[in-house]
Amino acid sequence: DIQMTQSPSSLSASVGDRVTITCRASQGINNYLAWYQQKPGKAPKLLIYAASTLQSGVPSRFGGSGSGTDFTLTISSLQPEDVATYYCQNYNNALTWTFGQGTKVEIK
Amino acid sequence: QLQLQESGPGLGKPSETLSLTCTVSGGSISSSSYYWGWIRRPPGKGLEWIGSIFYSGSTYYNPSLDSRVSMSVDTSKNQFSLKLSSLTVADTAVYYCARHVRYHNHPNWFDPWGQGTLVTVSS
Repeated sequence: DIQMTQSPSSLSASVGDRVTITCRASQGINNYLAWYQQKPGKAPKLLIYAASTLQSGVPSRFGGSGSGTDFTLTISSLQPEDVATYYCQNYNNALTWTFGQGTKVEIK
Repeated sequence: QLQLQESGPGLGKPSETLSLTCTVSGGSISSSSYYWGWIRRPPGKGLEWIGSIFYSGSTYYNPSLDSRVSMSVDTSKNQFSLKLSSLTVADTAVYYCARHVRYHNHPNWFDPWGQGTLVTVSS
């Protein structure tokens, strides 16, 4: 199975800061990666698919990049409403779909 | 706007079978563009994909749960269901249903998701 490892597991940043979350796959997955945001008590929401394509309606301060094994989710200017846990998800394997362990983002 | 809603008992006993249903509204479950999936999040842990089903009944299951999982679809009710047998306390989690978007003929990302339902396994 392909393992997805996110770092850091949590971070605290100030409003307006640039925030970067990393996701590493245990083997190459091309650009078959999605990012989700889960706010406390809410369902996960798709932010990005195909590593860098922003889902409709997602603010442009969110961006994704990477290919192969290393991927990043960037929030260009952190806002209070971005407090959430963020997950990456691999869909390269045709038979299983795996998530990273999550990165919790808080406001300093 | 497509919406999904999970339903089922919130409490189960060890060794019993959990049954959950997801009702889809605002769109047809019989679309060839989508599978329909179950994902769970145990307390304090990350997301775990459980399985996905096509409207024809074709399924994919997580190999780590394969022997205990069964999914079915009822197109007449626009619903799909999950059964998880031989429950243990480790199955305590929030269970989500979600649309599993099909692209290049195979399922990829999940969008949208239901609100989730908490299932607690306890004797």
